[in-house]
Amino acid sequence: DTAVSQTPKYLVTQMGNDKSIKCEQNLGHDTMYWYKQDSKKFLKIMFSYNNKELIINETVPNRFSPKSPDKAHLNLHINSLELGDSAVYFCASSPNTGELFFGEGSRLTVL
Amino acid sequence: GEDVEQSLFLSVREGDSSVINCTYTDSSSTYLYWYKQEPGAGLQLLTYIFSNMDMKQDQRLTVLLNKKDKHLSLRIADTQTGDSAIYFCAESMNTGFQKLVFGTGTRLLVSP
Repeated sequence: DTAVSQTPKYLVTQMGNDKSIKCEQNLGHDTMYWYKQDSKKFLKIMFSYNNKELIINETVPNRFSPKSPDKAHLNLHINSLELGDSAVYFCASSPNTGELFFGEGSRLTVL
Repeated sequence: GEDVEQSLFLSVREGDSSVINCTYTDSSSTYLYWYKQEPGAGLQLLTYIFSNMDMKQDQRLTVLLNKKDKHLSLRIADTQTGDSAIYFCAESMNTGFQKLVFGTGTRLLVSP
């Protein structure tokens, strides 16, 4: 049973398209995150939700819109995809501690 | 700023010790962390240290913290080929919520 699962694992799409990545955790954690890892492996926080409420929103273009229908799910929708959006997107959850449990990542390639 | 710096690459032989260094920015961070990322996977927490400690040992792992210099290190004793991975330090920012800022990552390569 995967604790934090993301779908899809790979996504290849054209510039200008809209796409979504879904994340689910079965750990009962209150807090969920989206991180972006670029080709140099730098990892940057994008968003964090606590009990379905947005608590961290870094300087991310508003083409990125997170949605948390319940505390076990945090989805990421991206509009008008650009080449620079190509990266690996990681979902994570935590029980309000610094121990984050990461999903396996969703590799997005924008052509 | 929020730049947490690490050297990018470290290569060691199997059986040697590895030392991975990190310089962080927020002197009020309560905890500092080390995470490991294996190829094609997400990050996993290896160990952490409370900011009022200088050292923490956990089996083959030793964490050293120098608060004055904002310097954190991870020593892996008897390094194995299975330790080859990218290692990230992370600091918790004093925001009232858990916001981890990760370092730039150190790729450790262990050769037989």
